[in-house]
Amino acid sequence: SSELTQGPAVSVALGQTVRITCQGDSLRSYYASWFQQRPGQAPILVIYGKNNRPSGIPDRFSGSTSGNTASLTITGAQAEDEADYYCNSRDSNTNHVLFGGGTRLTVL
Amino acid sequence: EVQLVGSGGGLVQPGGSLRLSCATSGFTFSSYGMSWVRQAPGKGLEWVSAISASGGSTDYADSVKGRFTISRDNSKNTLYLQMNNLRAEDTAVYFCAKDSVAWPPNFFDYWGQGTLVTVSS
Repeated sequence: SSELTQGPAVSVALGQTVRITCQGDSLRSYYASWFQQRPGQAPILVIYGKNNRPSGIPDRFSGSTSGNTASLTITGAQAEDEADYYCNSRDSNTNHVLFGGGTRLTVL
Repeated sequence: EVQLVGSGGGLVQPGGSLRLSCATSGFTFSSYGMSWVRQAPGKGLEWVSAISASGGSTDYADSVKGRFTISRDNSKNTLYLQMNNLRAEDTAVYFCAKDSVAWPPNFFDYWGQGTLVTVSS
């Protein structure tokens, strides 16, 4: 299958931990990267590779992979983390870029 | 500071054409692959097309293959997307994105602000 599947929405209480997941066969071959997108803005890379954060991304963001599932974990969620989150990888057959459908995070 | 500035969007009739541009600065443009990614109103991200650092390799989503052409001018540090035979379903904000490597696409470390394309009669 050449798809990445994400749950549509998740909520978390302020200061608590939340995990956002992404499933797809391509994740057995390639790491996922994760993007944060606030309304009306361009996506921002938050996690890439095995578990790497670009400069300027808080260390409360982390990534992991098990089998065909990649996860983005936010430990101690803040109000400014409220956004849409997208996973991204590559189709192992065609090399086409894939995006998950996105998960809307609400911080309560 | 890495900057990607998209332009060229607008209102076009079905069957029409449009050329998007993405002017870049702050990095060695000729060393990195580039992509176009779009987002229809209220929808998720959809990869459209990618081009290698040299311009010698390109790839397209099935939804645009044969209608869109990606290109780059490394002397002008600019990426392009020529869109022909546009359809209503091509209506979206189009983002240009810088890849982390030359080829094949790996991950996108910088994004432009997006340019809106509206296909309607």
